Amino acid sequence: AQSVTQPDIHITVSEGASLELRCNYSYGATPYLFWYVQSPGQGLQLLLKYFSGDTLVQGIKGFEAEFKRSQSSFNLRKPSVHWSDAAEYFCAVGASSNTGKLIFGQGTTLQVKP
Amino acid sequence: ETGVTQSPTHLIKTRGQQVTLRCSSQSGHNTVSWYQQALGQGPQFIFQYYREEENGRGNFPPRFSGLQFPNYSSELNVNALELDDSALYLCASSLDSTGGLFFGSGTQLSVL
Repeated sequence: AQSVTQPDIHITVSEGASLELRCNYSYGATPYLFWYVQSPGQGLQLLLKYFSGDTLVQGIKGFEAEFKRSQSSFNLRKPSVHWSDAAEYFCAVGASSNTGKLIFGQGTTLQVKP
Repeated sequence: ETGVTQSPTHLIKTRGQQVTLRCSSQSGHNTVSWYQQALGQGPQFIFQYYREEENGRGNFPPRFSGLQFPNYSSELNVNALELDDSALYLCASSLDSTGGLFFGSGTQLSVL
């Protein structure tokens, strides 16, 4: 079955500390992978996406993610977290033929301590 | 700002009623997808429209239906509302079926 697992429901980090949010996927075909961020009461904003090529992808707001096919993972990282990064983060997987039909993980809530 | 707008932002209905949610896609985007996001969950794919035709459907019953119009605006209709339909409904548009999705802010539906 196709699925996305975000093992960490809630993460708290101190401002300025590094961040890694985990994402594991199960997908039969070549996956297209995405990370979205959602602030309270808002829709989802695309942080970055991986379609092919370099397995380390850069996104907006200083985020990056690394695709590891052998581990079926697509972890999101940021070297130094800012208080404004506090939000809900979603990993998603889709087919190359139609990236409008995404399977989302349950999300990870990021809290940033001053 | 993504350019995808949804209306209304909040809605309260009672069980058994019908509801219509509206979405205006980002300019030039011919593909629209609808998602349901229950509290504390990730979004779940409801269906997608491409050039006014349904182009895929998730695991939702037929009482969830949609329309896409020539100007790329779209509607999500839900008949015979149930309590479990209470959720944030998100509309997302894309330039085509292989691009990234741009989401609206959603409509929060409460069914009492």
